[in-house]
Amino acid sequence: EVQLIDSGGGLVQPGRSLRLSCTSPTLTLGSFAMAWFRQAPGKGLEWIAFIKMKAYGATTEYAASVKGRFIISRDDSKNIAYLQMNSLKIEDTAMYYCARAYDYWGQGTLVTVSS
Amino acid sequence: DVVMTQTPLSLSVTPGEPASMSCRSSRSLLDSVAGHTYVDWYLQKPGQSPQILIYTLSNRASEVPDRFSGTGSDTDFTLKISSVEAEDVGVYYCMQRIEYPITFGQGTRLDIK
Repeated sequence: EVQLIDSGGGLVQPGRSLRLSCTSPTLTLGSFAMAWFRQAPGKGLEWIAFIKMKAYGATTEYAASVKGRFIISRDDSKNIAYLQMNSLKIEDTAMYYCARAYDYWGQGTLVTVSS
Repeated sequence: DVVMTQTPLSLSVTPGEPASMSCRSSRSLLDSVAGHTYVDWYLQKPGQSPQILIYTLSNRASEVPDRFSGTGSDTDFTLKISSVEAEDVGVYYCMQRIEYPITFGQGTRLDIK
């Protein structure tokens, strides 16, 4: 069974930073490209970031809405993928999901940006 | 960006009856070199994260019941449920991954009559 576990969400003030983590007890994340998605309250799904396997240079892609503020990375030795979120805005409030690119998703971690 | 447009936005179906929903893309999702059409379908059940149903146009994901099928070509795609069950309630999304940014349709909400 594919399991992905997202963590690191919480309440944060505008302009501050937060780092999300994604790990798996069943998958070796280093063998896969990984991605992050989000879903604002009551809204649809939005892709935000992607990272290739290290064997392919760990190349990244970002949505325009987060480019320059968010950084996706991976530590395959720890079996973790990260999403570093900087300069957070109120409109970044959402449930954030990591995913094996592109099929299985984690359960999500809620990020609320509010003063 | 590739715009994905889903219709209808909502669907109410009697259990045991078939259901069909559509997705249209603003450009072809066929990669003629690879020979694959990069459209996927997800179901987000109430209170849950999205789960993959169909990948690359017509391939059912592992453990997805065979009542779900994906068809289409180029820019027009259809997800069909041959016989709806109560557990199929939720929002269905199509997603394109032929190019970045990856984009989704706005979703089709399925409920049971």
